[in-house]
Amino acid sequence: EAAVTQSPRSKVAVTGGKVTLSCHQTNNHDYMYWYRQDTGHGLRLIHYSYVADSTEKGDIPDGYKASRPSQENFSLILELASLSQTAVYFCASRNRVGQAPLFGEGTRLSVL
Amino acid sequence: QEKVQQSPESLIVPEGAMSSLNCTFSNSASQSIWWYQQHPGKGPEALISIFSNGNKKEGRLTVYLNRASLHVSLHIRDSQPSDSAVYLCAVSPSSNTNKVVFGTGTRLQVLP
Repeated sequence: EAAVTQSPRSKVAVTGGKVTLSCHQTNNHDYMYWYRQDTGHGLRLIHYSYVADSTEKGDIPDGYKASRPSQENFSLILELASLSQTAVYFCASRNRVGQAPLFGEGTRLSVL
Repeated sequence: QEKVQQSPESLIVPEGAMSSLNCTFSNSASQSIWWYQQHPGKGPEALISIFSNGNKKEGRLTVYLNRASLHVSLHIRDSQPSDSAVYLCAVSPSSNTNKVVFGTGTRLQVLP
């Protein structure tokens, strides 16, 4: 069964610290996405990738980096975490354009 | 940049009623359009998709798409308490079909 696995499921970080959120899929999907969800903002696209070793900026990339070392893995990196980055982060994957992305269960990040 | 807006923000209906949710997007050439359902603490799950003008029916769900008016709607017949969730509209922009852009969501509550 197709699945997207995110880790950790929740994390508390300190302001100015480095945070890495991980996403893993074994669906053989080419496309992977990172979104953040805040109350009143729906899901906003941070970074995405459609091939290993390459990432693209989404609509709100500032303060975030992404890494796609393999087809299966896609990481989101906050080099200097800030209070405004407190949110729920979702990873998603899909096989091709036109297919609905499949989402993970999310990572709840609190920056204190 | 593709803009996706949803209305209403919140909807309360009695059990057995029809629930009607709306979504507008900014480009008539936008490609794939999906509706997602998200329960608290969970990732969004794709419900139904539509690509061509007109309507599509799946079980209790009906979707209507009118590209000329940049509008898509989701109707849930015989709403059940288990339908209570946040509903998200998602669009793949024609300018970049690798991206998937989401609206802010409608919170549906079905009262027993």
